[in-house]
Amino acid sequence: SQTIHQWPATLVQPVGSPLSLECTVEGTSNPNLYWYRQAAGRGLQLLFYSVGIGQISSEVPQNLSASRPQDRQFILSSKKLLLSDSGFYLCAWRGSYNSPLHFGNGTRLTVT
Amino acid sequence: AQSVAQPEDQVNVAEGNPLTVKCTYSVSGNPYLFWYVQYPNRGLQFLLKYITGDNLVKGSYGFEAEFNKSQTSFHLKKPSALVSDSALYFCAVTRGSAGNMLTFGGGTRLMVKP
Repeated sequence: SQTIHQWPATLVQPVGSPLSLECTVEGTSNPNLYWYRQAAGRGLQLLFYSVGIGQISSEVPQNLSASRPQDRQFILSSKKLLLSDSGFYLCAWRGSYNSPLHFGNGTRLTVT
Repeated sequence: AQSVAQPEDQVNVAEGNPLTVKCTYSVSGNPYLFWYVQYPNRGLQFLLKYITGDNLVKGSYGFEAEFNKSQTSFHLKKPSALVSDSALYFCAVTRGSAGNMLTFGGGTRLMVKP
């Protein structure tokens, strides 16, 4: 069966520090991969998605970036965090076009 | 562009009563529709989907949803609510077989009281 791993679960970082969140998927190949951010326990904002290695689409311009160095690995990064980057970050994968998104357990990021 | 509206921020029901969480959508072409549930500090869990076929779809934990094309709605229902159903519920839509991205509604908090 397929599983998705996301870490760390929680992170507290000072303003201006770098960020690296990692997500890996097991049990499937060539998944579509996604990074979402959820603010204040409500709506989901799509940040990035990827349909293949090295292929990244950005939905919202900001100081975050994403990379997909391997088929089942998706990394969210920042060179310098802002206070507004605080939130709950969710990684997700999807197989075929009629299949649902499957989410990881999320990373709670607090920028202080 | 595609969009989802969940008009109720919160729905309150008594345990044992039926529940409905509303969702309307806008998308060009055939919609693929999904419901998810989120418990505190966890990722979203998939409940059910409508792709094609029967307008009434059944999913996990006794939930079901009815696709209504004329009203562009996909309301989530359950005949008898449980206290453990209390959570945040999200509706999502994508554009048929060409859709790489799911668009989510703002979420509805369901509170089931004993």
